[in-house]
Amino acid sequence: DVKVTQSSRYLVKRTGEKVFLECVQDMDHENMFWYRQDPGLGLRLIYFSYDVKMKEKGDIPEGYSVSREKKERFSLILESASTNQTSMYLCASWGMGVGANVLTFGAGSRLTVL
Amino acid sequence: KQEVTQIPAALSVPEGENLVLNCSFTDSAIYNLQWFRQDPGKGLTSLLLIQSSQREQTSGRLNASLDKSSGRSTLYIAASQPGDSATYLCAVVSGTYKYIFGTGTRLKVLA
Repeated sequence: DVKVTQSSRYLVKRTGEKVFLECVQDMDHENMFWYRQDPGLGLRLIYFSYDVKMKEKGDIPEGYSVSREKKERFSLILESASTNQTSMYLCASWGMGVGANVLTFGAGSRLTVL
Repeated sequence: KQEVTQIPAALSVPEGENLVLNCSFTDSAIYNLQWFRQDPGKGLTSLLLIQSSQREQTSGRLNASLDKSSGRSTLYIAASQPGDSATYLCAVVSGTYKYIFGTGTRLKVLA
C-alpha cells in the first residue's frame, strides 16, 4: 500500500524552539510539498521540492525552511517556533511513479506552540 | 490568478439521498482536477482524479464530472451513508506543481 508517512502526529513545542517535521514517501515521486491548514484559510503551500536538493517557495514560506537530501524524504524546519505557527501541517507527494498524477497526502502533524 | 470556490460550505442530508457537491474555478487552463475527502483531524484522501482531457471519472458510488469551458466540476454521491460524513475538497492544477484548493464542503449524512 503506497503511502506518505509523517513522523509525528501531535507535537507540543515552546516558543523559540527549533522544530523538525519529517515526511517520507515510498512511491518514488519526484515532487513533495508542505502545506499548512488553518480553519477558514484552507490549505496554503509553504514549500515544495521537485527534485533532491531542489526547493521552491510556496505562498507562505516566511519562518520556515526545508531540506530534501534524499528523494523519499522532505523535512520542514521551523527555526524558531512562534505561536502563530500553531497549525495542522500536511505533507504530500506527486509524480509519475506509483499513483501517477495523484497528489497523495500524509496523515498530518498537529503542532501546538505554547 | 486561479481561484477555486466550493458551494455550499456545509450540507446536511438524510441517509440514502443522492447529492451533488460543486466546485468552480476561474481559469479554464488546468491540467487536472482532483477531489479529496478529509475526516476531522486527518490528512486528505484522494477520491477521484480527472485529467483535463476527460469529462468524468467514477469510483463506486462517486462520480465526478469536469466542464473546463464553464469552469465547473461536480462530485455526485449516490445513496449517501453516515460514513460519507466528512469535508470534501477539490483542487485544480494550473501550471507546474501548483495545486489550488477550494475551502471545502462539510457534509453530514444523518442516520
